[in-house]
Amino acid sequence: EAAVTQSPRSKVAVTGGKVTLSCHQTNNHDYMYWYRQDTGHGLRLIHYSYVADSTEKGDIPDGYKASRPSQENFSLILELASLSQTAVYFCASSDGPGLSNERLFFGHGTKLSVL
Amino acid sequence: DAKTTQPDSMESTEGETVHLPCSHATISGNEYIYWYRQVPLQGPEYVTHGLQQNTTNSMAFLAIASDRKSSTLILTHVSLRDAAVYHCILRRGGSAKLIFGEGTKLTVSS
Repeated sequence: EAAVTQSPRSKVAVTGGKVTLSCHQTNNHDYMYWYRQDTGHGLRLIHYSYVADSTEKGDIPDGYKASRPSQENFSLILELASLSQTAVYFCASSDGPGLSNERLFFGHGTKLSVL
Repeated sequence: DAKTTQPDSMESTEGETVHLPCSHATISGNEYIYWYRQVPLQGPEYVTHGLQQNTTNSMAFLAIASDRKSSTLILTHVSLRDAAVYHCILRRGGSAKLIFGEGTKLTVSS
């Protein structure tokens, strides 16, 4: 079964501090994604990547950076964390949107609280 | 990108068949209809997807209207484990973006 693991599972950060969320996949997928979910709402795409050393902006990239050092690893970086970035963050991987049978595999999420 | 409209919540009892509706009146010809479900403290889980034809798998049956402006996810013999938020999502062919709505919270009682 496909596996996407995120670390940490939860984190408390201070306003203005730097936060790095990590994601590792063992699916041999080309595409990886970062989404955020606010309480009671759907997921919104922050950044995604389809190849190592390259990232693309999603729908809400402001305040976030992403890094894809290898096919397996994809990080989300908050250089200056703000209160509004308190949310649950999900990483996902897939074979890619060009395939008619594409499906995303999600991690368990990272709950980030910025104080 | 087209948006979807779903009821906020639905209730069912174990063993029943549940019909979860989704409206996507402005869907484009190359947009796939995806369904994911999510339980608390976990990421979304793929359920099924389709383009024009009805589809079925071990988890659900997806009925797509002939004009593609609506679809219905049908869950048969629901159990307590089927309680989740069900997201109806559109994905344009070749696009990396999935647009999630707030979904329908399905409650299953024993």
